[in-house]
Amino acid sequence: GENVEQHPSTLSVQEGDSAVIKCTYSDSASNYFPWYKQELGKRPQLIIDIRSNVGEKKDQRIAVTLNKTAKHFSLHITETQPEDSAVYFCAASTMGRDDKIIFGKGTRLHILP
Amino acid sequence: DTEVTQTPKHLVMGMTNKKSLKCEQHMGHRAMYWYKQKAKKPPELMFVYSYEKLSINESVPSRFSPECPNSSLLNLHLHALQPEDSALYLCASSHTGTGGNEQFFGPGTRLTVL
Repeated sequence: GENVEQHPSTLSVQEGDSAVIKCTYSDSASNYFPWYKQELGKRPQLIIDIRSNVGEKKDQRIAVTLNKTAKHFSLHITETQPEDSAVYFCAASTMGRDDKIIFGKGTRLHILP
Repeated sequence: DTEVTQTPKHLVMGMTNKKSLKCEQHMGHRAMYWYKQKAKKPPELMFVYSYEKLSINESVPSRFSPECPNSSLLNLHLHALQPEDSALYLCASSHTGTGGNEQFFGPGTRLTVL
């Protein structure tokens, strides 16, 4: 089955700097890659997703890149702000198969003042 | 309505109790999910209902029993739980049962088993 590895487990960046979180997946059939943000005590919320027919997607300060050959995908947050502090989960899924999404173990992002 | 709601927010139960968790969505989604989340861990899939039929059971112990009375409601019946079952239980929903769709999560029920 699918396995998603996520690094780093903890990341501290200075406010205003960029943050990058990286994930790898094992199942070449995976073709949908969502990223969820979970603030302390809150529900996970989708912040961006990418499908395998696209190499990059941007939404304001957030971007995701996908390298299908290497089975890597990454989340980039620019101009980080205090409200970006949260746990971020990458995930992988296969459209047209079932509804399982396999989560990475999460990255705790701290934005330092 | 673009939210998934869950009740109760908190639940404390003994190992001999029977209780139920409830989840509701009015977004017309036809796939609904139960996840278990332990502290500092990702959500762990338990069950998936697609078009009101159980489509995935991730080998969950029978002390957890899901039910989908209609397309808007999802229940999780709990019986004879163990202390290690204490966790945040998240419900989610998505458009269809074919994957590749955003899952919308509810706020969760924080369960403590004594």
